[in-house]
Amino acid sequence: DIQMTQSPPSLSASLGDKVTITCQASQNINKYIAWYQQKPGKAPRLLIRYTSTLESGTPSRFSGGGSGRDYSFSISNVESEDIASYYCLQYVNLWTFGGGTKLELK
Amino acid sequence: EVQLQESGPGLVKPSQSLSLTCSVTGYSITSNYWGWIRKFPGNKMEWMGYISYSGSTSYNPSLKSRISITRDTSKNQFFLQLNSVTTEDTATYYCARFVYGSPYVMDAWGQGASVTVSS
Repeated sequence: DIQMTQSPPSLSASLGDKVTITCQASQNINKYIAWYQQKPGKAPRLLIRYTSTLESGTPSRFSGGGSGRDYSFSISNVESEDIASYYCLQYVNLWTFGGGTKLELK
Repeated sequence: EVQLQESGPGLVKPSQSLSLTCSVTGYSITSNYWGWIRKFPGNKMEWMGYISYSGSTSYNPSLKSRISITRDTSKNQFFLQLNSVTTEDTATYYCARFVYGSPYVMDAWGQGASVTVSS
């Protein structure tokens, strides 16, 4: 089984800040990582797949990078609508989620 | 636009079976994969299983003896059955579409159905 270690579990940011979330896989996942946004009571929303490919409708302030075991997800110029929880997902071998990061306003 | 909606009982007794339905509109379940994911209190998420466009299934090994995913293509619905539930199965259950992104990734989800296992 591939394990995904996501950090930090929570993050406090001011509007306009840049924030970064990381995920480390227990083995090489060949860039097959996706990132989701989830707001309370809502369906998860796929933002990025294959490390850095933005889904249609994903604002350009969202970005992803990494390779091998180590990956990152960033939001530049945080907006109020970005307040949510974020999850990484590896999908190279079945599917495993990271533990999530809750983004809050400072 | 594809839409998914989970439905089913919100309360299940221990040792009984949990049954949920996912109703899909805007897309045929005879294309792609369709599956279930759950989110536990504390926010851990777990892939449970999927049913493919052809009706074949794959399950998380941790659940393999208790889970069954089936479908009714005439109603464009698929179903989750989880047997012998315990309080550890209390979670929000999501259905999702898996699209081929070499390999498959979940690109559309329902809003989730909260299920509590309690006597």
